[in-house]
Amino acid sequence: DAKTTQPNSMESNEEEPVHLPCNHSTISGTDYIHWYRQLPSQGPEYVIHGLTSNVNNRMASLAIAEDRKSSTLILHRATLRDAAVYYCILSLNNDMRFGAGTRLTVKP
Amino acid sequence: DAGVIQSPRHEVTEMGQEVTLRCKPISGHDYLFWYRQTMMRGLELLIYFNNNVPIDDSGMPEDRFSAKMPNASFSTLKIQPSEPRDSAVYFCASSGGGWGSSTSGNTIYFGEGSWLTVV
Repeated sequence: DAKTTQPNSMESNEEEPVHLPCNHSTISGTDYIHWYRQLPSQGPEYVIHGLTSNVNNRMASLAIAEDRKSSTLILHRATLRDAAVYYCILSLNNDMRFGAGTRLTVKP
Repeated sequence: DAGVIQSPRHEVTEMGQEVTLRCKPISGHDYLFWYRQTMMRGLELLIYFNNNVPIDDSGMPEDRFSAKMPNASFSTLKIQPSEPRDSAVYFCASSGGGWGSSTSGNTIYFGEGSWLTVV
């Protein structure tokens, strides 16, 4: 199984950018990089995904290293509502397995 | 669309009783997933279906657990007999899109979960 490594926790101040790292040194050429987040007492929700190129959407940006062995989820301006567990997942044939993720705390 | 619908939202049952969790995926989605989440083990993939056929059930903890998908709009996860260690939040999720060979880029949509307590 391709695996990811994320810090257990991170802190950010409200209104500041947040960079959430993910290492995936064993990624294969066909693995997509997905990011989900889980707010308290809710199911995970999709944030963003990509294959090789950097991606932007209304929620976040995804920066993928040239060798694809790491990626970074960027929240441009953290809000209190962004406090959640963020999961970085490599998907192979829709087999989506979640690791422990990074617990993001946003301080007012 | 109403999203992935799970029932019951909360259930408290006694050890030894049968528990049935239900899921209605998003219409048109051809993948359905069952996950279990506990503090100790995090979010675990139990089983997933493609076009109503189980593809990988390696995450099902033991024979007390079974999952079925009789049609494209309904799935059940059954625990019989239930034990206190089965207490967890059970999530159903679905995805789809008919990508052909490019299947790894699709989004998974989760339900709100079924909160199970076995006493």
